[in-house]
Amino acid sequence: QKEVEQNSGPLSVPEGAIASLNCTYSDRGSQSFFWYRQYSGKSPELIMFIYSNGDKEDGRFTAQLNKASQYVSLLIRDSQPSDSATYLCAVRSLGSNYQLIWGAGTKLIIKP
Amino acid sequence: DAGVTQSPTHLIKTRGQQVTLRCSPKSGHDTVSWYQQALGQGPQFIFQYYEEEERQRGNFPDRFSGHQFPNYSSELNVNALLLGDSALYLCASSSPFNYEQYFGPGTRLTVT
Repeated sequence: QKEVEQNSGPLSVPEGAIASLNCTYSDRGSQSFFWYRQYSGKSPELIMFIYSNGDKEDGRFTAQLNKASQYVSLLIRDSQPSDSATYLCAVRSLGSNYQLIWGAGTKLIIKP
Repeated sequence: DAGVTQSPTHLIKTRGQQVTLRCSPKSGHDTVSWYQQALGQGPQFIFQYYEEEERQRGNFPDRFSGHQFPNYSSELNVNALLLGDSALYLCASSSPFNYEQYFGPGTRLTVT
């Protein structure tokens, strides 16, 4: 059973600090990794994707991938109250064909 | 550039009834995936359509069926509704050249 694991939280971070969200996956054949943000009652919104080992930066967001350790993380710099949401990790692998395997999400709360 | 659209936004049905949900993909996308998301969980893959055919299916019973039209829009049909079918139904579209999926606003289905 291919799995994607996330800490459900809530993760509470002061405004202006760095929020660090983690995701581990079980399938070593995983190739594509996605971070989605989901506000309560809304649909998921794609914020980052990463395919290669290392870091990928986009504005205040940095995705980090370590295939040897089978984890992917999302860093949010200068956290704002509007970043408060649930962050979902999704993984695509050859073994899952075209299917994305999803974590249950980490709830992030940014305290003003 | 129109994003992914879904209709209706909300729906209330009675146990045993049938429901049809609709999705139009983002411009330039030809692949549509359907997900079910229960409260507090990640999206669960139902199936994916490409070139008017079901390309892959998740662990959902045959009561869940779908269709894709020549203009790439798609329908999700659920027969013999159960109380447990109450959830947010999400449609996501993608292009054949990358794996990023973009979600519509979702349809909130309540079965009473």
